[in-house]
Amino acid sequence: DAGVIQSPRHEVTEMGQEVTLRCKPISGHNSLFWYRQTMMRGLELLIYFNNNVPIDDSGMPEDRFSAKMPNASFSTLKIQPSEPRDSAVYFCASSFSGQNSPLHFGNGTRLTVT
Amino acid sequence: AQKITQTQPGMFVQEKEAVTLDCTYDTSDPSYGLFWYKQPSSGEMIFLIYQGSYDQQNATEGRYSLNFQKARKSANLVISASQLGDSAMYFCAMREPDFGNEKLTFGTGTRLTIIP
Repeated sequence: DAGVIQSPRHEVTEMGQEVTLRCKPISGHNSLFWYRQTMMRGLELLIYFNNNVPIDDSGMPEDRFSAKMPNASFSTLKIQPSEPRDSAVYFCASSFSGQNSPLHFGNGTRLTVT
Repeated sequence: AQKITQTQPGMFVQEKEAVTLDCTYDTSDPSYGLFWYKQPSSGEMIFLIYQGSYDQQNATEGRYSLNFQKARKSANLVISASQLGDSAMYFCAMREPDFGNEKLTFGTGTRLTIIP
């Protein structure tokens, strides 16, 4: 079975540019999560969707960040304009609903903003 | 207050020895799930083991077991007969049904190094 698929794997961009990260969750999973990992802050939840509806976006840093889930098989995380402090690894994860369901992570997108 | 606390930033263990990675958690909800993930140097997040708050027995998965002490709110990961491939970051996490918000909250992790 295919796991969570993220693209691109690596993204290098200049400050001020728009960045779009993409995620395809595991088929049948109805919860989708975007996390950011940095050395300083560890793993932070940015936003959590359930049945394509945003449930918790309290971790989205500011208005420069936006996320969409137009259907059950696709989600995007957009940063516009990007800044050097956005450099991090961004993970997408999916799961079934329920506190006994593990999250399955994609391989992450390593974003570098120069 | 931290929801998940991992007090060991790093550990060094001799190959073939058992290792215990500590995790304490904080919740007032009676129903919750506890998870451990492994992150090798290649970066992917690998799910290892799950323990439910109502589970009567400690979870086990191969060489991994979870020492669940509910009254102490601890969920320590035990790796038996450690191998060089166990060298990685290990994260403890909790998922609780907070009014329908079932996000997974992670600890800061423990970096485990297995010494040959």
